[in-house]
Amino acid sequence: QVQVVESGGGVVQPGRSLRLSCVASGFTFSGFGMHWVRQAPGKGLEWVAATSFHGSDQYYADSLKGRFTISRDNSKNTLYLQMNSLRAEDTAIYYCGRDRVWLRDYKYHDLDVWGQGTTVTVSS
Amino acid sequence: QSALTQPASVSGSPGQSITISCTGTNSDIGHYNYVSWYQQRPGKAPKLIIYDVNNRPSGISNRFSGSKSGNTASLTISGLQAEDEADYYCSSYTSVSTVVFGGGTKVTVL
Repeated sequence: QVQVVESGGGVVQPGRSLRLSCVASGFTFSGFGMHWVRQAPGKGLEWVAATSFHGSDQYYADSLKGRFTISRDNSKNTLYLQMNSLRAEDTAIYYCGRDRVWLRDYKYHDLDVWGQGTTVTVSS
Repeated sequence: QSALTQPASVSGSPGQSITISCTGTNSDIGHYNYVSWYQQRPGKAPKLIIYDVNNRPSGISNRFSGSKSGNTASLTISGLQAEDEADYYCSSYTSVSTVVFGGGTKVTVL
């Protein structure tokens, strides 16, 4: 079945780095844009970043630009989120999601497949 | 980019209709017909229920409908059922090529 599965979360000290992964299956990964969305404990959804289906274009929430990097390896059906200089406020569940439209090359904006999330806790 | 504005909570009795509003700006909701709505049950991942203002993905009940006027989008749930109790989030594409979510609305079925 169509699914994405996140991994790589854990407890990390402030200022350190972490890389999240998201493995896709059941669909042609290379044909869809992909997103990361996070949710702090007890809070709402916050969009983090998106990448085009070919991986050439990346888009970031202004508040995160410069610290987080989204990338993908279409040969491995895997999406990544490199997170640097982590802060306590980055503590959240991080969801990977598929952009809804096949071969959409612009205006990535809706997620029709979501993973169950991976939890990142930034704490000393 | 500031979050879209949603009411914190909305409630209704079974069978009733409720509407959740989502207010943005001329740079997001007012500029594009790219408003989505998501349902999130406790401990679960969000689920897309409306895309591009008023379209339902396959398998989503026609009791869910969306609309937009100016800078405000709305989600209406008709024939409210116990299973509709969840958090609902709106989102929109923005003029700086990002996505912005609303703060979320908790729907309670009385």
